[in-house]
Amino acid sequence: AQKITQTQPGMFVQEKEAVTLDCTYDTSDQSYGLFWYKQPSSGEMIFLIYQGSYDEQNATEGRYSLNFQKARKSANLVISASQLGDSAMYFCAMREHLSGGSYIPTFGRGTSLIVHP
Amino acid sequence: GAVVSQHPSWVICKSGTSVKIECRSLDFQATTMFWYRQFPKQSLMLMATSNEGSKATYEQGVEKDKFLINHASLTLSTLTVTSAHPEDSSFYICSAFRLPGPYEQYFGPGTRLTVT
Repeated sequence: AQKITQTQPGMFVQEKEAVTLDCTYDTSDQSYGLFWYKQPSSGEMIFLIYQGSYDEQNATEGRYSLNFQKARKSANLVISASQLGDSAMYFCAMREHLSGGSYIPTFGRGTSLIVHP
Repeated sequence: GAVVSQHPSWVICKSGTSVKIECRSLDFQATTMFWYRQFPKQSLMLMATSNEGSKATYEQGVEKDKFLINHASLTLSTLTVTSAHPEDSSFYICSAFRLPGPYEQYFGPGTRLTVT
């Protein structure tokens, strides 16, 4: 079963508007971490934001915020005031804490965001 | 901040030859590194987990003898694609967690492999 689900293969947004990229996850762990990454056409994976499973407040990093709804197992990324440079692939990822202290990261299929001028 | 480098950034090789890709953590020690493969417009597929001083753990369906991983030091892991074929052409990305400390996963810039 897929652990990270991103249901939006592609999204379009007007410049300066806000956009929400959806992500749901599946885990039986109590301790886990959720991440969002941006991958522009260059291929580099750029870390955007992190949310720990025990964090009570939603994470925010500049124009990025993570709408964390633990009961629904969702971790949507909100980008405010979209910019042309935000056009890229966005990946939601989860890190589960396995026994022995190791971590295994899992990625969703990604959402392609295109920002229109 | 933490940086992970990869070398080479791109490589073209002939079918049947072997290619080695290096992944280095530049300012932190990484006991565990991950190797991913990414096809165009697709997600990252975890190939293996590279553990310093021990054998790598491969994901199901990944050929151990074809993708040799060596994690000889706390700052270097290598992926060798042996007897490469055109279907091995892909974007290979390594990453590492820095523990203890920041929770983000640091990625290398990736290596684009083309096998002719």
